[in-house]
Amino acid sequence: GQNIDQPTEMTATEGAIVQINCTYQTSGFNGLFWYQQHAGEAPTFLSYNVLDGLEEKGRFSSFLSRSKGYSYLLLKELQMKDSASYLCAAMDSNYQLIWGAGTKLIIKP
Amino acid sequence: GAVVSQHPSWVICKSGTSVKIECRSLDFQATTMFWYRQFPKQSLMLMATSNEGSKATYEQGVEKDKFLINHASLTLSTLTVTSAHPEDSSFYICSAGGDRGFSYEQYFGPGTRLTVT
Repeated sequence: GQNIDQPTEMTATEGAIVQINCTYQTSGFNGLFWYQQHAGEAPTFLSYNVLDGLEEKGRFSSFLSRSKGYSYLLLKELQMKDSASYLCAAMDSNYQLIWGAGTKLIIKP
Repeated sequence: GAVVSQHPSWVICKSGTSVKIECRSLDFQATTMFWYRQFPKQSLMLMATSNEGSKATYEQGVEKDKFLINHASLTLSTLTVTSAHPEDSSFYICSAGGDRGFSYEQYFGPGTRLTVT
């Protein structure tokens, strides 16, 4: 079956760095997405990785290892506004997104 | 660019009535649109995939006669919840996949919060 695993909740301190991990098992693979979702709002796109390696975009970076079925989202210089749920989604061979349950990130002052 | 709108943003209806939610891609043509449902503290659940001009593909367990989807044009898809019940109360989100070629990103609408009383 197809499956996405990510931690349910994480806590970090303002100004610090946090890494949110995601492992996936899909029928075929066409890329890994990270989305941010604030409470009561729709998800917003953060990153897309289809090749192995690290993609850096400002304070956010995303890493992919296809051989390990593993990705992480790295958030640097955390700000209070980064408190949100972070959704990992893998695209299978039919170009369908398989969604993780999301990781709720709590930022403390 | 890549803006998707939804209307209404929230709606309260009585049990037994029908509610229509519109999803529009404002600045691009969306050959494919997706409808999701999200219950509190849970992840997105894909309900159906609609392609312009053809019938929607529903996920297992989603009643196609209850959740009517129409994708009549490249910029508009509608979801009608027929004979709504309190258990249909949820956050409904649409997304659109454009003909962008360089990525398979889905652009999400702001969501519609449905409360059935």
